[in-house]
Amino acid sequence: QKEVEQNSGPLSVPEGAIASLNCTYSDRVSQSFFWYRQYSGKSPELIMSIYSNGDKEDGRFTAQLNKASQYVSLLIRDSQPSDSATYLCAAMDSNYQLIWGAGTKLIIKP
Amino acid sequence: DAGVTQSPTHLIKTRGQHVTLRCSPISGHKSVSWYQQVLGQGPQFIFQYYEKEERGRGNFPDRFSARQFPNYSSELNVNALLLGDSALYLCASSLGSRSAYEQYFGPGTRLTVT
Repeated sequence: QKEVEQNSGPLSVPEGAIASLNCTYSDRVSQSFFWYRQYSGKSPELIMSIYSNGDKEDGRFTAQLNKASQYVSLLIRDSQPSDSATYLCAAMDSNYQLIWGAGTKLIIKP
Repeated sequence: DAGVTQSPTHLIKTRGQHVTLRCSPISGHKSVSWYQQVLGQGPQFIFQYYEKEERGRGNFPDRFSARQFPNYSSELNVNALLLGDSALYLCASSLGSRSAYEQYFGPGTRLTVT
């Protein structure tokens, strides 16, 4: 099992709907979790960080962490075409290094 | 406030050459991390520096080296370039090197090795 896994997609969501992105992780990475957005040809941009079980909301974005099931998710409400990007899940390991998933490509269809 | 800056933005080198990439962190940030990202993959961790000391090293050959200066800026050096070193090299800065510190990325340096 890879340490951080994401479905590569693409995930296609109609404009205005909720986009749900998921990430699972192994025991080796369990400190902190981060969601980044990356547009084609650009560098990753931090969207959310989450450290404890439960939900964390920031505007249209909600991160959810479930340590018992070892998954972290990102919900995007009222999806906009500008949300179309690759979303990267990252987790910090016991050496405080970020381990990354390969990313999920999200397409918001007008 | 200025974000993380990297130079150069693009670089073309020939196999066997050497390259130096530079990064300036966000003001007040003391930790710099370097990543390599190839198309279609997530970033791969190369190095982390905090207060001028190496705090972590990823699974990269000794051709890769880095250092951090007293002003917290950093350089990544790659010797004896291979075609496979072609990638986007990302620098990220954070307040510290521990788990609670979020990392913010610069625009990256696109390296092409021919």
